[in-house]
Amino acid sequence: KAGVTQTPRYLIKTRGQQVTLSCSPISGHRSVSWYQQTPGQGLQFLFEYFSETQRNKGNFPGRFSGRQFSNSRSEMNVSTLELGDSALYLCASSLQGGTGELFFGEGSRLTVL
Amino acid sequence: DAKTTQPPSMDCAEGRAANLPCNHSTISGNEYVYWYRQIHSQGPQYIIHGLKNNETNEMASLIITEDRKSSTLILPHATLRDTAVYYCIVRGGNNAGNMLTFGGGTRLMVKP
Repeated sequence: KAGVTQTPRYLIKTRGQQVTLSCSPISGHRSVSWYQQTPGQGLQFLFEYFSETQRNKGNFPGRFSGRQFSNSRSEMNVSTLELGDSALYLCASSLQGGTGELFFGEGSRLTVL
Repeated sequence: DAKTTQPPSMDCAEGRAANLPCNHSTISGNEYVYWYRQIHSQGPQYIIHGLKNNETNEMASLIITEDRKSSTLILPHATLRDTAVYYCIVRGGNNAGNMLTFGGGTRLMVKP
């Protein structure tokens, strides 16, 4: 079956702009979580959605937001982009969350100029 | 803060076993130990997980000490394609969701 799909894979934005990233989980998976990966901070949890509800949230400013649709697809949005937002944004899905295998997508690489 | 401690890097000869240690001395009774690896610029890949018993699958073996304060991931016959960053993660039960805390991981270099 198809894996976790993230779009776009690469994008370049300028400071002050906003960006929306999309994640399609594996069919049947209801939990979608987002992570940011930078060389300095490593992999950091952003938020998790389960059945269209945010279940957990990491320590990121309010410029970072997300949502999940009824088909479990998820989007994350970053407003008023800063240079430090340049990162690989990873989406992961699982059947329910908490235990079991977590499947990651290949990520969306955002560069902010 | 990460709940696990791993050596930042390790080398292994191709064909030999790679033993990657992880310390998780503050692990709770209902928390599992998970291992993922990330090959350069790709998404992390699940390897194996366990609660208290040793586990084995087609990729690796996981040895958890009796007190559960540490574990070792074993790649029995390392290949060049196993070169990656390996993350040991402590993960709670169903109520914890998928809020994983990644540490720095161990960068494993498999050499010919």
